[in-house]
Amino acid sequence: ETGVTQSPTHLIKTRGQQVTLRCSSQSGHNTVSWYQQALGQGPQFIFQYYREEENGRGNFPPRFSGLQFPNYSSELNVNALELDDSALYLCASGNRDRNTEAFFGQGTRLTVV
Amino acid sequence: GQSLEQPSEVTAVEGAIVQINCTYQTSGFYGLSWYQQHDGGAPTFLSYNALDGLEETGRFSSFLSRSDSYGYLLLQELQMKDSASYFCAVREGTGANNLFFGTGTRLTVIP
Repeated sequence: ETGVTQSPTHLIKTRGQQVTLRCSSQSGHNTVSWYQQALGQGPQFIFQYYREEENGRGNFPPRFSGLQFPNYSSELNVNALELDDSALYLCASGNRDRNTEAFFGQGTRLTVV
Repeated sequence: GQSLEQPSEVTAVEGAIVQINCTYQTSGFYGLSWYQQHDGGAPTFLSYNALDGLEETGRFSSFLSRSDSYGYLLLQELQMKDSASYFCAVREGTGANNLFFGTGTRLTVIP
């Protein structure tokens, strides 16, 4: 168990809607990243937050946005959902200052219909 | 462009040794990580190489050659529970969270 929890575990949304996914990381972790994993593929880096500011972004459009809060929780927001957004969304936390490995949550399975 | 290449599938016998290779081409490189993921589960960290050479952690070892942009994961004394997907991932920035993953290798361990 990594101490990283995500909610909800499963979610079904309609195309065009907006969704917010949540992640709670371990105490002492100051960086959180979000990944999208399509079926049969490796996780794709969406963005990283360090001390509540975005600190790196992958090849995802601006309708993917996030927040990191002082209490080690974070959010991934996706606007104007598309069918291709259906995937497993993973958050991973770590301590950038100590250069620890990334600890992943169990993920949220998002289905867009 | 960025790419990581791994074999898509590997099958091995319980008790045997298996090697999963990974070649990479990325814009930034701070090290190579390996993750295990069981169906429906979260990726779990196995090993990390920042420098050339072999890192050993129990039954798992990982190797890196930066000059060859190549690494591998070695699993010894295979057990049925080792059946899972294995991903190599390049750490592209400082801190462990900026990871570029390969497409994964599906390992099936048979009796």
